[in-house]
Amino acid sequence: EPEVTQTPSHQVTQMGQEVILRCVPISNHLYFYWYRQILGQKVEFLVSFYNNEISEKSEIFDDQFSVERPDGSNFTLKIRSTKLEDSAMYFCASSYGTLGNTIYFGEGSWLTVV
Amino acid sequence: DQQVKQNSPSLSVQEGRISILNCDYTNSMFDYFLWYKKYPAEGPTFLISISSIKDKNEDGRFTVFLNKSAKHLSLHIVPSQPGDSAVYFCAASGAGGTSYGKLTFGQGTILTVHP
Repeated sequence: EPEVTQTPSHQVTQMGQEVILRCVPISNHLYFYWYRQILGQKVEFLVSFYNNEISEKSEIFDDQFSVERPDGSNFTLKIRSTKLEDSAMYFCASSYGTLGNTIYFGEGSWLTVV
Repeated sequence: DQQVKQNSPSLSVQEGRISILNCDYTNSMFDYFLWYKKYPAEGPTFLISISSIKDKNEDGRFTVFLNKSAKHLSLHIVPSQPGDSAVYFCAASGAGGTSYGKLTFGQGTILTVHP
C-alpha cells in the first residue's frame, strides 16, 4: 500500500537553530498537509498546501514556519528559529482530493528542541 | 479548542465483545468525520469515515454512526481483537475546498482489548 514517508524520524536541535523536516507524499496525491502533536496534547493542524501554494494555515503557523515543494516528490516544513515549545511530533499528510478523500499520515518526525 | 471531544480517555473491552468509542462535536459546519487509529511513535492510520449526508458507514468490523442532531458520532468495533488495542482519534472537517484538509482532532481514547 502506498504510504507517506518522513525524514528524519527523530531530530534533536538547539534552540534558535533552523530545522527542515522532509516528507514524500503518496505519489498521485495533490493536497499536502503538516500537523503536529505536542506530547500529551491533541493532534493539531498546521498548514495545507495545494497547487504550489498554501491553502490554509492555523494560528500556530507563524512567520517562523514555511513549507515548500521543491520538486515533484518532496514536501518540506522549515522552522526558521526553533523554540523549546516547538518540540513535538510533526506529521506530514496527503490526500488525492478534498471532500470524501482520505487523508493519509506519515509516521511522524519527532523534534526535540534543547 | 474543544470543538471535537472524546470524553472517555480510555476503554477496556474483552476480546470478542463490542467496543464503542464516542465523539461529540460542537461546530455545525463540520460535515465530514473520520476515525484514525494510532500506535505510540507512529502516525495516525485511517480507519473509516462518514459524510454528514449519511448516518451509518460500515467497513468490515468497523461501523461509524453519525447523529447530526445530537452532534455525536460513534465507532463500533465488532468483534474486538487484541490487535485493536491503540489510541483512537475522532477527527472532523468542514465543507470541501480549502477547509477540508483542516482536520480538528479529539483528544483520543485508549482502547485496550484483553484476550
